[in-house]
Formats: sequence, C-alpha cells, structure tokens
Amino acid sequence: SQTIHQWPATLVQPVGSPLSLECTVEGTSNPNLYWYRQAAGRGLQLLFYSVGIGQISSEVPQNLSASRPQDRQFILSSKKLLLSDSGFYLCASDAANEKLFFGSGTQLSVL
Amino acid sequence: QKEVEQDPGPLSVPEGAIVSLNCTYSNSAFQYFMWYRQYSRKGPELLMYTYSSGNKEDGRFTAQVDKSSKYISLFIRDSQPSDSATYLCAMSAEAGGTSYGKLTFGQGTILTVHP
Repeated sequence: SQTIHQWPATLVQPVGSPLSLECTVEGTSNPNLYWYRQAAGRGLQLLFYSVGIGQISSEVPQNLSASRPQDRQFILSSKKLLLSDSGFYLCASDAANEKLFFGSGTQLSVL
Repeated sequence: QKEVEQDPGPLSVPEGAIVSLNCTYSNSAFQYFMWYRQYSRKGPELLMYTYSSGNKEDGRFTAQVDKSSKYISLFIRDSQPSDSATYLCAMSAEAGGTSYGKLTFGQGTILTVHP
C-alpha cells in the first residue's frame, strides 16, 4: 500500500515570506497527486492536482503554485504568503483503481 | 448555495447509540460518494465508498445514497468513544483516472461519543 510523507507538520511564517511544502509518495508508481487545503471549521478544498510529471491543474485562482518535478514528488509553493493562506494543507495520492489516501498534513499559520 | 451541505454539529451521543450523519448535494453529476473520518490534526481516512443508490454495509458502518433526493447518509451502530472524530462526506463527478481524487467535500460533522 502507498505511504505519503509530508513535512513539516507545523509551520509559522510571516506575511510576505515564501513557502515550500513537499510531499513524497512511496509504494506506488504513476499516481495522481493532489493538494487540498482545510480552513478552520471547514471542509477540504482541492487546490491542485497532477496526473504526471510536469502536469499541473489548478482548481482555484490563488496565491499558490504547485510543481511535480518527479513521479512521486509534489511541491506546493508561494512567493509571498498572505494571511488568507493559513490553513491545514494535505497532500493526497491515488493510483489505478485505488482510493484517495491522504498524508498527515501541514498546519500553516501566516502571521 | 454550496454544492455539498453538511451539518457541522457538533453531535454528542452516549456510547452504544446509533449515529446518523447526512449530506445533501445540488450537483446531479456527482456519481461517486465517500465518507471520510478525520481525527484532530490528522489526514482524513476513507471509511466508505459507494457508486450507486442504495445501501452499503461494512461492519458497524452503513452508507446510504439516494440520488433522486440528492441525499447521502452514514449510520454508525453501537458507537464507541473511539468513533469520536470529524466525519466528512465527499463526492466526485469525474469519470476516469481522477474520479477518486477530485472530490468536493462537505464541511464535516464533529462527533463525540461519550462513555
């Protein structure tokens, strides 16, 4: 079964600073990869997904970007964080005929 | 109007109670329906997955889908304190490779089962 590594678990960043969150997947190949965000007291919102290396689809316009430099690596970035970027960021992966599995998440606080 | 509506609760029940969690949706294109359980500050884990209208049972959990009413439910029998978590409904309108991953989630219902 697949394992999703996501770090750091907690991050506090000042407004205007850059962001880089990394996610790596083990135990599968050619997965679809996803970044979701969960704001306090709210459901998960899909931000980006990728069906292959270098292929990124954005679901909502925002201050963030994503990249997939390797098959099992997915990166979420920002050049300048906003207060509204605070939230719980989850990386997720699915493979052929498998359901969606989530990583343990990164709690980002922008102050 | 949100595509998926879920009562956020919180819901508090005694141990052994039957719990009913519900979601309504407006997008008739949704064809895959899931329930996830999320413990505090953890990633959600898949509990139930259904495709068609009807019931699906797995141990103490039963998922029910009524596409004609755009309404889904999750029932938990003999609830335990370990069931205390946030329960999220999720739906997908996708066909093909991203059908499991491009999900629209409800807000989540916070459930507490007390001994």
